[in-house]
Amino acid sequence: QKEVEQDPGPLSVPEGAIVSLNCTYSNSAFQYFMWYRQYSRKGPELLMYTYSSGNKEDGRFTAQVDKSSKYISLFIRDSQPSDSATYLCAAMDTGRRALTFGSGTRLQVQP
Amino acid sequence: DGGITQSPKYLFRKEGQNVTLSCEQNLNHDAMYWYRQDPGQGLRLIYYSQIVNDFQKGDIAEGYSVSREKKESFPLTVTSAQKNPTAFYLCASSGTGTGGHEQFFGPGTRLTVL
Repeated sequence: QKEVEQDPGPLSVPEGAIVSLNCTYSNSAFQYFMWYRQYSRKGPELLMYTYSSGNKEDGRFTAQVDKSSKYISLFIRDSQPSDSATYLCAAMDTGRRALTFGSGTRLQVQP
Repeated sequence: DGGITQSPKYLFRKEGQNVTLSCEQNLNHDAMYWYRQDPGQGLRLIYYSQIVNDFQKGDIAEGYSVSREKKESFPLTVTSAQKNPTAFYLCASSGTGTGGHEQFFGPGTRLTVL
């Protein structure tokens, strides 16, 4: 079993929809959680960074972490065609300080 | 502009050759990382370095080597011992200490073995 599991999609939604992206993880030592957006053939771009449980909002993006169920979510409001990309969740424990990634979810926002 | 640069963008290697991928950062970050990404997969950790002259193996270090002689530079050598080196290679950096857990990535190098 992989330490971070993520549905690969693809997920196709109409423009303006609310998108929900999710990951589960198995390592209880993970304390830091990140979401990256990756366009085709580009490096990942950091979208959201969360420590421990709770919510964090930045513009149209909201990240949620529920450590009791080991569940990580990213919500995108008012989705745009420019949001079409692969979204990667990642987690880190304080010991190793290196990220463990999910496999990524490919999102298509249809105009 | 602060950031991470990787070169070359594309690299072609013949079987049996060693190649070195460059990664430079001007973010004054202490920690640097190398990841590998295969099609449809997430990133897997090859090597990481928390400080100059020190580095640790990641999950898939076999067939790779690194050095960290300068804070801003962390080159990766893909040796002939790496059985399946064709992949997208990504370098990242972050701060250290109580904060600075966010990792920032470079644009990547796409390596193809001919």
